[in-house]
Amino acid sequence: DIVMTQSPDSLAVSLGERATINCKSSQSILYISSNKNYLAWYQQKPGQPPKLLISWASTRESGVPDRFSGSGSGTDFTLTINNLQAEDVAVYYCQQYYSAPFFGGGTKVEIK
Amino acid sequence: QVQLVESGGGLVKPGGSLRLSCAASGFTFSDYYMSWIRQAPGKGLECVSYISGSGKTLYYADSVKGRFTISRDNAKNSLYLQMNSLRAEDTAVYYCARDPDSGYYFDYWGQGTLVTVSS
Repeated sequence: DIVMTQSPDSLAVSLGERATINCKSSQSILYISSNKNYLAWYQQKPGQPPKLLISWASTRESGVPDRFSGSGSGTDFTLTINNLQAEDVAVYYCQQYYSAPFFGGGTKVEIK
Repeated sequence: QVQLVESGGGLVKPGGSLRLSCAASGFTFSDYYMSWIRQAPGKGLECVSYISGSGKTLYYADSVKGRFTISRDNAKNSLYLQMNSLRAEDTAVYYCARDPDSGYYFDYWGQGTLVTVSS
């Protein structure tokens, strides 16, 4: 299994500032022949199911605000939320799909 | 619009069985891989099973292998999860989710159904 480790477990950010969430895989999830990283990011608000934000490490889903961006390659990935808004309070999960799907442990984002 | 509605959750004793259902609408169900993903109370996400559109490709997490069976009825636009020999650690909200391009990530999720295994 490819294990995903997220950091930090939680962070508090002021409104309008930047939140940065890290995700590390136990082995590379870059498929060389396609040059694609098999990584997704999800947002889960309390009492709701997860919502897909980003696939292929950096492809934003339709309707997702452009303050959300994904970056990284190989084993190290980052979700960045610029200009944090109150509605961004949630738990964020990364997930690899290079092999059997496996989620990171989640990062809780709160307002400072 | 895409809708996924789970049902069948509830309270069951250890060793018991339960069958979850997911009713899909708003897309051509048979074209998509579908998955069951669970979330224990206050915990993270675990993909327990997925099934291809034809039903020929199956996956089970080690934690449920031999106890859970995934199936689908494309004529009824429905996904199922038969859960046997349930354990306390199976207690979770179970979500039905769609895979947009057989890539094993998930673009639409249902609201979930709670399964509680307790004596």
